[in-house]
Amino acid sequence: ILNVEQSPQSLHVQEGDSTNFTCSFPSSNFYALHWYRWETAKSPEALFVMTLNGDEKKKGRISATLNTKEGYSYLYIKGSQPEDSATYLCASRNTNAGKSTFGDGTTLTVKP
Amino acid sequence: GAGVSQSPSNKVTEKGKDVELRCDPISGHTALYWYRQRLGQGLEFLIYFQGNSAPDKSGLPSDRFSAERTGESVSTLTIQRTQQEDSAVYLCASSLAQTGRANYGYTFGSGTRLTVV
Repeated sequence: ILNVEQSPQSLHVQEGDSTNFTCSFPSSNFYALHWYRWETAKSPEALFVMTLNGDEKKKGRISATLNTKEGYSYLYIKGSQPEDSATYLCASRNTNAGKSTFGDGTTLTVKP
Repeated sequence: GAGVSQSPSNKVTEKGKDVELRCDPISGHTALYWYRQRLGQGLEFLIYFQGNSAPDKSGLPSDRFSAERTGESVSTLTIQRTQQEDSAVYLCASSLAQTGRANYGYTFGSGTRLTVV
C-alpha cells in the first residue's frame, strides 16, 4: 500500500499571492504522479500527469515539478485568484498497479 | 456519453438495507475505478476494473461490498446490509488503459452521496 502525503492540509491566501504545496510519495517502483483539482460540488478534474524525474508541467498560472528520486512533487499557483479555491489532490501509481493512491489533499482558499 | 455518469446523485437509506450505485464510464475507457470519501477523510480506493482482466478488489472494506462491470461499460457497486460507517461520497472514474507504462488521468463522475440513517 502506497503512503501518499500532502502538506499543508489547508492554506488561506490573499488574491494575488503565489503559493505552493507538496506531495510526497514512495520513490521505489514509481510509475506516475497525477494532480487533480476538486472544487466544491464538482468532480475532481485532472491537472497534470507526470512520469519522468525532473518533469515540469504548466497550465496557465499553475505549474508542477516532479522529483522521483526523492519522492516529492510541488504544485505552484502564481497570482492566486478566488476561482483557484479548491482541494488539490495528488495521486501516485507504482509498478504494475493499475490504480493510483490518493493523498488527503490540500484545501486552498483564496480571499478576494 | 461525454462524461462519466453516476446515479443516483444522492441516496438516503436505512441501516440494514441494500443499496446499488451505478456508474456509466466514458465510451472507450477500459479502466474503471470506484473510490469513496468519508467525511473528513481522503479518497479511499475500493475496486478497479481493467478490460477483461480480473478486477482488483483489494480496497473493498468488507464482504458486504461488491461490484460488477458489464464488459467495458456500466458498473454497479452494491453495498449489502448498510451501516452508518458506509456513509460517504462514492466516486467513479474511468480512464484509458493503465497498462505497462501508459499513464492517463482519470475522468471522475459527480459522485453519489450515500447517507445511512
